[in-house]
Amino acid sequence: GAVVSQHPSRVICKSGTSVKIECRSLDFQATTMFWYRQFPKKSLMLMATSNEGSKATYEQGVEKDKFLINHASLTLSTLTVTSAHPEDSSFYICSARASPYEQYFGPGTRLTVT
Amino acid sequence: KQEVTQIPAALSVPEGENLVLNCSFTDSAIYNLQWFRQDPGKGLTSLLLIQSSQREQTSGRLNASLDKSSGRSTLYIAASQPGDSATYLCAVRDDKIIFGKGTRLHILP
Repeated sequence: GAVVSQHPSRVICKSGTSVKIECRSLDFQATTMFWYRQFPKKSLMLMATSNEGSKATYEQGVEKDKFLINHASLTLSTLTVTSAHPEDSSFYICSARASPYEQYFGPGTRLTVT
Repeated sequence: KQEVTQIPAALSVPEGENLVLNCSFTDSAIYNLQWFRQDPGKGLTSLLLIQSSQREQTSGRLNASLDKSSGRSTLYIAASQPGDSATYLCAVRDDKIIFGKGTRLHILP
């Protein structure tokens, strides 16, 4: 099956700094990618939909200025958590749509803000 | 707005038993439904994907059914093993993928 990678898999940063997470589709092109967030023992919540070459669409309640999404190419989307705070600590998972009926998930990135 | 509900939230059964996990969704206009497994601190492992035109999918000891008109799906696990212990997530796809909150399964050795 298609492969989606995320980098880094785990990151620890200090409060107030920014951190970037990359999501890559390794063997297919993805015009649409998605970013999810998962709190401990909770389900995945869709944060935003990222379309190549255009602005991301954010779900209600997600701060677009805090969670910057860039989808500059058909194989790469990035999520930047700006001015991170401890409450931003979470598990972030990206997903890439290979076709209208196929969507694949990355392995996730564990962010810890100290 | 699509909502996905999974019952039960947690389940503990002795090894060897057959079990059923339930998933319901509010809007039947879906492209597909997918069951995932998630181990603690890990990403998602896709188990079964059922297209909207299909009724069920099978893989090994796993069988998933879909009744789109009633907004329900079940994941049947036969002859459960301790290695099956994980959180099982149900997700439906319309224009987005929406996840349920999961069922935490613990198989007792």
